[in-house]
Amino acid sequence: LAKTTQPISMDSYEGQEVNITCSHNNIATNDYITWYQQFPSQGPRFIIQGYKTKVTNEVASLFIPADRKSSTLSLPRVSLSDTAVYYCLVGDMGDDKIIFGKGTRLHILP
Amino acid sequence: DAGVTQSPTHLIKTRGQHVTLRCSPISGHKSVSWYQQVLGQGPQFIFQYYEKEERGRGNFPDRFSARQFPNYSSELNVNALLLGDSALYLCASSYRPGQGADEQYFGPGTRLTVT
Repeated sequence: LAKTTQPISMDSYEGQEVNITCSHNNIATNDYITWYQQFPSQGPRFIIQGYKTKVTNEVASLFIPADRKSSTLSLPRVSLSDTAVYYCLVGDMGDDKIIFGKGTRLHILP
Repeated sequence: DAGVTQSPTHLIKTRGQHVTLRCSPISGHKSVSWYQQVLGQGPQFIFQYYEKEERGRGNFPDRFSARQFPNYSSELNVNALLLGDSALYLCASSYRPGQGADEQYFGPGTRLTVT
C-alpha cells in the first residue's frame, strides 16, 4: 500500500482558496487517490476521487500531476464550516479496506 | 434516506468489562466494516463483514470480535477492556465488498471511554 504524507495542520481565512498537498511517491499503477473529510465526533465523509489530471465536483477539485506522485485538494472560498480533518488515501479501486493516515487538520479563521 | 446508524452514541466502561457496539447499515447495503479511531489519529480498520461472513481483519487482538446478522446489521464486541481501547468506533457500510473507498459510508461512531 502506498504511503501518503500530508501537512499535519493548516490555517486559512474565510473566503480564501485552500490547497492541501499530499505526497504518495510509491503509488501503484492501479491506485486511485481519494480524499475524505471528518468533522469532530463524526464519521469521515468522501469528498473526491481521481486517477490523473483534474477532477472537480460541487465540493472540491483534485489536481494530479502526470507522475501521480502527489495530489492537491483544492477547496474554493472556504467558510468556517470547512474546519475539519482532511485525509488523503491511496488504494486500488476495489479496495474498501481504507488505510487512513493522520490527516491534515484545517482550521478556518474568520 | 437514513444513513448508517450506530448505538450507543457514548459509553463508559471499566477496565476488564465487556462492551457491545451496534451498527445498522444503509438500507440495501450488505457489507459492514468497523474502524477504531484513537484521539488524534486516523481510523484504523478492524473488520469487514459481508453476508454474515468475515471478509477481512485488521491487526487487532482476539479480544475484538464481530458478527453480522441476516438483516445486515452488525455488532462489534470487545472483551477484557483496556484503557487503550478508549476510542471512537466507526462503522462503514457499502453495497458489497470491492466497491472502493469512494463507496464507503460512515456512521457517526460510538465514543467508548474506558476508566
